[in-house]
Parts: sequence; structure tokens; C-alpha cells
Amino acid sequence: AQTVTQSQPEMSVQEAETVTLSCTYDTSESDYYLFWYKQPPSRQMILVIRQEAYKQQNATENRFSVNFQKAAKSFSLKISDSQLGDAAMYFCAYRDAGNMLTFGGGTRLMVKP
Amino acid sequence: DTGVSQDPRHKITKRGQNVTFRCDPISEHNRLYWYRQTLGQGPEFLTYFQNEAQLEKSRLLSDRFSAERPKGSFSTLEIQRTEQGDSAMYLCASSLDGGIRETQYFGPGTRLTVL
Repeated sequence: AQTVTQSQPEMSVQEAETVTLSCTYDTSESDYYLFWYKQPPSRQMILVIRQEAYKQQNATENRFSVNFQKAAKSFSLKISDSQLGDAAMYFCAYRDAGNMLTFGGGTRLMVKP
Repeated sequence: DTGVSQDPRHKITKRGQNVTFRCDPISEHNRLYWYRQTLGQGPEFLTYFQNEAQLEKSRLLSDRFSAERPKGSFSTLEIQRTEQGDSAMYLCASSLDGGIRETQYFGPGTRLTVL
């Protein structure tokens, strides 16, 4: 079974600084997708960024980028120029042809003004 | 595009009662997923539908749980004889079948508290 691990239960960053959230996963599949979802307090989960496993180029979405290391099974999220609105739970998720998402335990990101 | 909606947003019930939740997916999405999220944890898969067919169920989905998606539109999740361990956030997500490329979009969730 696939597993996703987020080793940082909490992270803190100063406003306008850069922070990196870690995620590792375990799979025997070669074709899969990885996702980062953001869940603000009492609000719904929204997709931040996704990465296709067969693409070597790291995905970027504005201030959000990933560092995808397929051999190491690592998928970290970098948030640049952190804003107060970035404060949330961040979940790393994995999906292969099995359809459902497998989530990590989450990292709570706090942004200090 | 109105997004995925869920009703109710909060439900408090007494142990032993039955509860039913509803999910309305994004209109053109043919896949619908249910997940459960306990406090401080990531969501865990429960079941999913392709159109009206329920194609996969997790071992987490005990006999007290039943889900339906009549006519392939909205879905309901019913929990019979609720237990305190059922207290959680129940999330619904929908997607357009795109093979491995598909992306799931989540609703706001229904928070269930069993007293």
C-alpha cells in the first residue's frame, strides 16, 4: 500500500520569507501524481499544486513550487514571499491509477507578521 | 462553476441515532469521492462513485455506513447507529474522469459530533 509521510507537524515562517514543507512517499508504481492541498482553518481544502511523476521539470504556480525527487520519493513544497493568508494546514497527497488520494498527516504552517 | 457543496455543514447527534449527509458535485463531474478526516489528521478514503456506480469501498466503511448516488448526480452518505468514534469531518470531492491526470475538488465538509 502507498504511504505518504509529512515529518513536520508544524512550521513557522516570517511574512515575506520562504518556507519549505517536506513530504516523502512510498510506492512501487512508476506513473502517479502528487499534490499539495491547503486547508485553511474552518475552510475547504483547495489544490495548491500538482506534479506528474513522469515529468522531470518541477511544477510551479506563482509563489508555490515543488522539488520533486523521484528516486528519493520526495516531494517538497516551497512557498516564497509568504503571506498571512498562507497560514493553513498543508497536505501532501499521492494518486496513481487506483483513483483515491492517499494523504499525509499534514503540516500546520504559521505565518508571523 | 459553483464548486462542490455539502449539507449540513455541522451535525450534532446522540449515540445510536442515524444521520445522513448530502454532497452536490461540480455539475459536469462524473466521479464523486467520500473521505473522512479526524482532528489533526489527513483525510482517509471511504468510497467513490463513477456516475451512479459505487466502484470502490474502503475497509473503513463498516456495515453501518452506506452511500448512494442516484442518477449519477448528488450523493448521500448515511451512518446508522452512530458511535462516538464516528465523530469526524466527512469530506466530499468530485472530479472529471481523466485517468491518472484527474484532479479532485473538495467541498467544505460536514462536521459530525456524536455525543
